[in-house]
Amino acid sequence: AQKVTQAQTEISVVEKEDVTLDCVYETRDTTYYLFWYKQPPSGELVFLIRRNSFDEQNEISGRYSWNFQKSTSSFNFTITASQVVDSAVYFCALSLLISGTYKYIFGTGTRLKVLA
Amino acid sequence: DSGVTQTPKHLITATGQRVTLRCSPRSGDLSVYWYQQSLDQGLQFLIQYYNGEERAKGNILERFSAQQFPDLHSELNLSSLELGDSALYFCASSVAWGAGQETQYFGPGTRLLVL
Repeated sequence: AQKVTQAQTEISVVEKEDVTLDCVYETRDTTYYLFWYKQPPSGELVFLIRRNSFDEQNEISGRYSWNFQKSTSSFNFTITASQVVDSAVYFCALSLLISGTYKYIFGTGTRLKVLA
Repeated sequence: DSGVTQTPKHLITATGQRVTLRCSPRSGDLSVYWYQQSLDQGLQFLIQYYNGEERAKGNILERFSAQQFPDLHSELNLSSLELGDSALYFCASSVAWGAGQETQYFGPGTRLLVL
């Protein structure tokens, strides 16, 4: 069975702290894709990153970085020097081919509160 | 502004009714995705179209259907509505269709309330 677990329901940090959001996935497939999305309090969804299962290089984009580790089935997201604007719900998702069509499995999200 | 438009922004209807949600992708994007976000079910992927053809299917109920038209806009039809269909419905678009191959741009969503 395929599953995405975001065990941290809510995290609160003080501005300028670093914070890591955990994402653990389950699949027996060797080909899959992992995503992170952001949903600010305003409600819109923002696509942050996608990673395919064959690319284990970590990625950095400004203050955001992602650590993909197949050995532990994790795709963690770190925000460095957090800012109030980072306050949002963050979703991790897994996409893979099942019975000839792609499926997306979302985690339940982690609510990040960055306090000034 | 992502360039993806969704209409209407809000919709209130009664159980048993049918509604149509509309999505216009970004200029040049050929792929459209539909998602549902509810308190009960969380965020769920419903369906994806690429250049008029269905490419991926998620947890879409049989009462729901979608299509992508030649001008690339998409409609999500929800019929025999139930209270549990109350949710925020997002549309997203991307340039290509291969799942995981491209960046998705989201519309502002349509909030559906079924009374």
